[in-house]
Amino acid sequence: DAGITQSPRHKVTETGTPVTLRCHQTENHRYMYWYRQDPGHGLRLIHYSYGVKDTDKGEVSDGYSVSRSKTEDFLLTLESATSSQTSVYFCAISPSLGLESYEQYFGPGTRLTVT
Amino acid sequence: GESVGLHLPTLSVQEGDNSIINCAYSNSASDYFIWYKQESGKGPQFIIDIRSNMDKRQGQRVTVLLNKTVKHLSLQIAATQPGDSAVYFCGVKDSWGKLQFGAGTQVVVTP
Repeated sequence: DAGITQSPRHKVTETGTPVTLRCHQTENHRYMYWYRQDPGHGLRLIHYSYGVKDTDKGEVSDGYSVSRSKTEDFLLTLESATSSQTSVYFCAISPSLGLESYEQYFGPGTRLTVT
Repeated sequence: GESVGLHLPTLSVQEGDNSIINCAYSNSASDYFIWYKQESGKGPQFIIDIRSNMDKRQGQRVTVLLNKTVKHLSLQIAATQPGDSAVYFCGVKDSWGKLQFGAGTQVVVTP
């Protein structure tokens, strides 16, 4: 998984509780992304980061926040989890958005269940 | 908005046959395309990519074809093996430089 780890790998939480998912990379890549994956949908971008403390929203950012205080770590927080946030969450990294490639490398995923 | 879609949610293929997985996109200005393979319980793995200045690109047992006229791309897997059983999905670079992904096609390889 290209030097990407996600923690926890599985989590069950109750509605209304805060949850933080962590993505850690050892590749020193500049760009990091959080996606969610649901049946019948492609990967949908939640938030992404283009550098330390530089983040921006994706297409499904409502209810999520992120932080990146170090190059290697990108945190995704659900301030108050809802059942609609039950999903599999993937972190991805990319070295650049340059002319050569937009290839992204994905982590193993976190399966989150909100009861 | 921009969209990316796959034609078939499931594809059943006999071992040894060739597989063809299709993807359609809406943005005629898209200039970068990518295919991923996702095995059950794992994260997506890069297979192959192609830029819009090419019509065809080959990798190891895989070929990606791009038809910009009809905004369609396909992934061909030669001599499909049991280890090829997975979900395959395409990604298309959107106007903001981010990838938009299709929902995926489940490839089932039968003996």
